Amino acid sequence: GAGVSQSPSNKVTEKGKDVELRCDPISGHTALYWYRQRLGQGLEFLIYFQGNSAPDKSGLPSDRFSAERTGESVSTLTIQRTQQEDSAVYLCASSLKGGDTQYFGPGTRLTVL
Amino acid sequence: QKEVEQDPGPLSVPEGAIVSLNCTYSNSAFQYFMWYRQYSRKGPELLMYTYSSGNKEDGRFTAQVDKSSKYISLFIRDSQPSDSATYLCAMSGRRVGGTSYGKLTFGQGTILTVHP
Repeated sequence: GAGVSQSPSNKVTEKGKDVELRCDPISGHTALYWYRQRLGQGLEFLIYFQGNSAPDKSGLPSDRFSAERTGESVSTLTIQRTQQEDSAVYLCASSLKGGDTQYFGPGTRLTVL
Repeated sequence: QKEVEQDPGPLSVPEGAIVSLNCTYSNSAFQYFMWYRQYSRKGPELLMYTYSSGNKEDGRFTAQVDKSSKYISLFIRDSQPSDSATYLCAMSGRRVGGTSYGKLTFGQGTILTVHP
């Protein structure tokens, strides 16, 4: 079956603009995660959705970052008033339920000029 | 200090060598330990998953966890050029009720090159 998909694969934006990144998890997966990977760095947890529970937003770096998930399907990560330090690859993962093996998408490479 | 420390390398070895990759961590709440492989411009893929201390073997890969030392390792035997990738350790705590908590904490990743 299809894996986790993310769009766009690349996004170049100007400082101060808002961006939306999309994640389509594997069908039937109730848990969805967003991570950020700066160049040469490991993954940094951003936010975690599990079913209808309140999301764990403890990793969001500032109030410019927000994410939504529609039921148990698509998720959107929004970054408002982008800054150059937001440049990174944003990775989405999903798992059957929280704590199960996470399957990652290919990521969205965001460049803020 | 980061919760998880991993030597970024890069590490270059000849084909057939035994590779040892390591991570140390500071959070004693971590109970689940993973190794992911990430090829260039791809998402990470899970290689090994272990719970608590001990060894786990899968083909050419062996994962070791020493909770007393807060140290985990991944060994790759008979390394191949196709093993060239970035290897990331990851770990998570244990939820009340026994399952892994979903949030993963990653090391920086070690870049490995296996040359023919």
